[in-house]
Amino acid sequence: DQQVKQNSPSLSVQEGRISILNCDYTNSMFDYFLWYKKYPAEGPTFLISISSIKDKNEDGRFTVFLNKSAKHLSLHIVPSQPGDSAVYFCAASVISDYKLSFGAGTTVTVRA
Amino acid sequence: DTAVSQTPKYLVTQMGNDKSIKCEQNLGHDTMYWYKQDSKKFLKIMFSYNNKELIINETVPNRFSPKSPDKAHLNLHINSLELGDSAVYFCASSQTHGQQYFGPGTRLTVT
Repeated sequence: DQQVKQNSPSLSVQEGRISILNCDYTNSMFDYFLWYKKYPAEGPTFLISISSIKDKNEDGRFTVFLNKSAKHLSLHIVPSQPGDSAVYFCAASVISDYKLSFGAGTTVTVRA
Repeated sequence: DTAVSQTPKYLVTQMGNDKSIKCEQNLGHDTMYWYKQDSKKFLKIMFSYNNKELIINETVPNRFSPKSPDKAHLNLHINSLELGDSAVYFCASSQTHGQQYFGPGTRLTVT
């Protein structure tokens, strides 16, 4: 039973343009959300997070938006760079819990 | 300096064998985890230890047994390996709830 869903398995974007990755969740108890980036043959690395008390968090080129009523979050990457080509995982947890639930990932390809 | 390391990186073995994967973290974190990434690319939590105490034990076959000799190490032992155990196994650690730091993964292939 997947509680975190990334319905777009892949995304192709031109260098310099915006990448928008989407994530939906079903568990209304989730109150902390994270995005991880993964290169081939490496482990996921933390990118950015947001708690449910906020609706936006920004870190450089990366911004995460949270819509609690829709149980939806998105990651914006502006501008997209070739090094951003990777798999992006959305994850969610209840902050009092150690368990992270992951989506299936979205493969981003940035074209030159 | 590698924060979370796993050995081996690749493991090819035959059905029925017993194997172990080792994980070490030098971040001083109290909590460590094992995840399985299957062929559909989902990352699923298997186990978690906090200060050597098992705190998460998801529904996995009891052929899988984690062992934490100290809070910097969490090993995964798998008995009687099956074809369906083929996957990438990731170790992770965290200091508190939330952000976890992942190792590079161990690709296990059972033939």
